[in-house]
Amino acid sequence: AQSVAQPEDQVNVAEGNPLTVKCTYSVSGNPYLFWYVQYPNRGLQFLLKYITGDNLVKGSYGFEAEFNKSQTSFHLKKPSALVSDSALYFCAVREVPGGFKTIFGAGTRLFVKA
Amino acid sequence: DSGVTQTPKHLITATGQRVTLRCSPRSGDLSVYWYQQSLDQGLQFLIQYYNGEERAKGNILERFSAQQFPDLHSELNLSSLELGDSALYFCASSVGAAGSYEQYFGPGTRLTVT
Repeated sequence: AQSVAQPEDQVNVAEGNPLTVKCTYSVSGNPYLFWYVQYPNRGLQFLLKYITGDNLVKGSYGFEAEFNKSQTSFHLKKPSALVSDSALYFCAVREVPGGFKTIFGAGTRLFVKA
Repeated sequence: DSGVTQTPKHLITATGQRVTLRCSPRSGDLSVYWYQQSLDQGLQFLIQYYNGEERAKGNILERFSAQQFPDLHSELNLSSLELGDSALYFCASSVGAAGSYEQYFGPGTRLTVT
């Protein structure tokens, strides 16, 4: 069965510093991997995805993520954090082939301090 | 604004009652997903429809049912409501049913069961 883990409930970083939000996954086959962000009282917004090809994926708002098959990880990164990046971040995985549902992690709350 | 609309925004009802949540997908999207978000369970996939047909089922209770209509809007019906059904219910849509498509989320319906 497919699963995804976000080992940190919360990440704190100072504005201007690099940030990393961690995600590991477990699937039998190959994964499709996604990052979404949720601001207070809003629905989730798509940030980026890995389907195939280049392991480094670039997305919205300066975010990027690196797919590492050997470590089954898909960590979200940004070189310089903004206070406005403070939100709840979700990693999601869908197994290929045969996975008919997207599994979301528990979420990681990012706090960026000015 | 994701282009996905959900009504109502808030719903307060009593235990044992039945409610209907409505979702209109983004223009051109054929697939609709329903999710339940609560503090203790996180984001749980309920069900997916593609062009009117049920595509995948997740952790959806027997008291819950959904359908997608010919105009592609979808409804989630919740019956015999219990206190534990209080949650934020999200609808999402994507262009196709394949796992490689990102999902676009609506603003959610907050259900409170008293």
